[in-house]
Amino acid sequence: AQSVSQHNHHVILSEAASLELGCNYSYGGTVNLFWYVQYPGQHLQLLLKYFSGDPLVKGIKGFEAEFIKSKFSFNLRKPSVQWSDTAEYFCAVIPTGTASKLTFGTGTRLQVTL
Amino acid sequence: NAGVTQTPKFQVLKTGQSMTLQCAQDMNHEYMSWYRQDPGMGLRLIHYSVGAGITDQGEVPNGYNVSRSTTEDFPLRLLSAAPSQTSVYFCASSRQQVGRGYTFGSGTRLTVV
Repeated sequence: AQSVSQHNHHVILSEAASLELGCNYSYGGTVNLFWYVQYPGQHLQLLLKYFSGDPLVKGIKGFEAEFIKSKFSFNLRKPSVQWSDTAEYFCAVIPTGTASKLTFGTGTRLQVTL
Repeated sequence: NAGVTQTPKFQVLKTGQSMTLQCAQDMNHEYMSWYRQDPGMGLRLIHYSVGAGITDQGEVPNGYNVSRSTTEDFPLRLLSAAPSQTSVYFCASSRQQVGRGYTFGSGTRLTVV
């Protein structure tokens, strides 16, 4: 079975700082990878996804992520965070070709200060 | 509006009571899932369904039942509520080929006292 690790549990940044959130997965085959965001009191929304092709994927709101197969990683980045990026971020993985078992990491709470 | 609808949004139960959390989607998605979200533990899969009449267990199925009689609906039943089931529950759906990722409902916050 697949698993996901997010090592940063709580990150505090000042506005305009750069962001990188780590995500590592464990699975023996090919996977599809996702980052979801959950703003306070809201449900999860898809930020970006990787299926195949260019390992650098761009998502909404200026976020991007890079898939490094050799490191089993899919780190999320943003060059300059805004106060409105305060939220919880979840990395998720699913084996390629199926949609039945999307597995989430434990999440990273991002707090952006003014 | 297209999407995943969950009801109720909030619920307080007494230990031992039973209830059903409702989930409906109008996107004709084949796959539906139930997750629970607890602080520091992310989202954990309770049960999932790959189509009407087909369900399977996820990571934390104990104490919960599901059924999928139609494509649209995927209710989650708590048989005898326990304080350990206090959580936020999310329903999600996806096409078989998960091109757009899962779509999540707005959640049900359940407290068991």
